[in-house]
Amino acid sequence: GENVEQHPSTLSVQEGDSAVIKCTYSDSASNYFPWYKQELGKGPQLIIDIRSNVGEKKDQRIAVTLNKTAKHFSLHITETQPEDSAVYFCAASKGADGLTFGKGTHLIIQP
Amino acid sequence: NAGVTQTPKFQVLKTGQSMTLQCAQDMNHNSMYWYRQDPGMGLRLIYYSASEGTTDKGEVPNGYNVSRLNKREFSLRLESAAPSQTSVYFCASENSGANVLTFGAGSRLTVL
Repeated sequence: GENVEQHPSTLSVQEGDSAVIKCTYSDSASNYFPWYKQELGKGPQLIIDIRSNVGEKKDQRIAVTLNKTAKHFSLHITETQPEDSAVYFCAASKGADGLTFGKGTHLIIQP
Repeated sequence: NAGVTQTPKFQVLKTGQSMTLQCAQDMNHNSMYWYRQDPGMGLRLIYYSASEGTTDKGEVPNGYNVSRLNKREFSLRLESAAPSQTSVYFCASENSGANVLTFGAGSRLTVL
């Protein structure tokens, strides 16, 4: 089955700096790559996603890039703010049998 | 607009006891999922249901059973709880083909 590796497990950045979280996947048939944000005490919530026919997607301060050849994708957050502090999960999917998640990155924004 | 509702939010069980986690969605989604979240392990799929009347095993199904009662409801049952099942459980739903999961707020289960 699919295996998703996510790094780093913890990332601490100064407010206003950029943050990058990286994921690799194993199954070349995977074609959908979402990113979820989980705030303390809540369920994960989709923040951005990308499909395999696209190399990059942006939404205000967040962007995701995908390299199908290398089987890796990354989340970029620019101009980080305190409300960006959360756990972020990457995931991969190739169909209707659910998402395979990475183990998560705890992003800490230092004031 | 409730989305995905899970009950209970917290539960403490003794080893060997049974219980059922309830999940309901009001978005008319076809697919529903149960995940467990453990520290350092991310979210792991227990069972899923692609449509009413069908269920399939995920990555970690042992010790669990599920029932897709109707299109809205998908329950997770622990017949004989074990300490290894101490976890936070999340239910999610998806409109088939969209791949976008909507999660509930979670149910924290402790097995003593």
